[in-house]
Amino acid sequence: DAKTTQPPSMDCAEGRAANLPCNHSTISGNEYVYWYRQIHSQGPQYIIHGLKNNETNEMASLIITEDRKSSTLILPHATLRDTAVYYCIVRPHNYGQNFVFGPGTRLSVLP
Amino acid sequence: EPEVTQTPSHQVTQMGQEVILRCVPISNHLYFYWYRQILGQKVEFLVSFYNNEISEKSEIFDDQFSVERPDGSNFTLKIRSTKLEDSAMYFCASSDSGGYNEQFFGPGTRLTVL
Repeated sequence: DAKTTQPPSMDCAEGRAANLPCNHSTISGNEYVYWYRQIHSQGPQYIIHGLKNNETNEMASLIITEDRKSSTLILPHATLRDTAVYYCIVRPHNYGQNFVFGPGTRLSVLP
Repeated sequence: EPEVTQTPSHQVTQMGQEVILRCVPISNHLYFYWYRQILGQKVEFLVSFYNNEISEKSEIFDDQFSVERPDGSNFTLKIRSTKLEDSAMYFCASSDSGGYNEQFFGPGTRLTVL
């Protein structure tokens, strides 16, 4: 089972920042936090991952709390194309470890 | 940008028939995976493959399923005798040599079993 808890759905106005929370209170020391998204029935798309430091790339920022029990994915300027299901996944740092997907958060970006 | 490709995009088959789903992982990747997603449900792990053998498999991956890397580029999933409940999207994924990092997913094959 997934080790994360996410709200089932969220809305965000186009052009505004989308802040997607994730709770992973039982995360272990060797587990990373990954974020993927899935647009319609397309394959999951990698967004970002981190261990304990905040991370930023061209798609998003990942803020991880100091105790690592929760995190927030930030899409700085949401567009309609960001409407998708967003998955927060914790995954051990092992060779070839598979991902365990939960139900995710359905983000709707509204015009 | 390199990407994982899958063929066919949609496969329709009769119950009891064999199907082979094909994937071309990213060229320098060495870890390969199959996942499936039944309509409206979560993405589920099926199997991982490294160095020409299965690394890990889930309970879903029973004797009806097999995987193969027949050449240097393709990675296939075979379902020997399809059931109605095998109807799903099947996603192939690959990751780089370390296997630690992100997996890149293909666009999926929609399998419909009639």
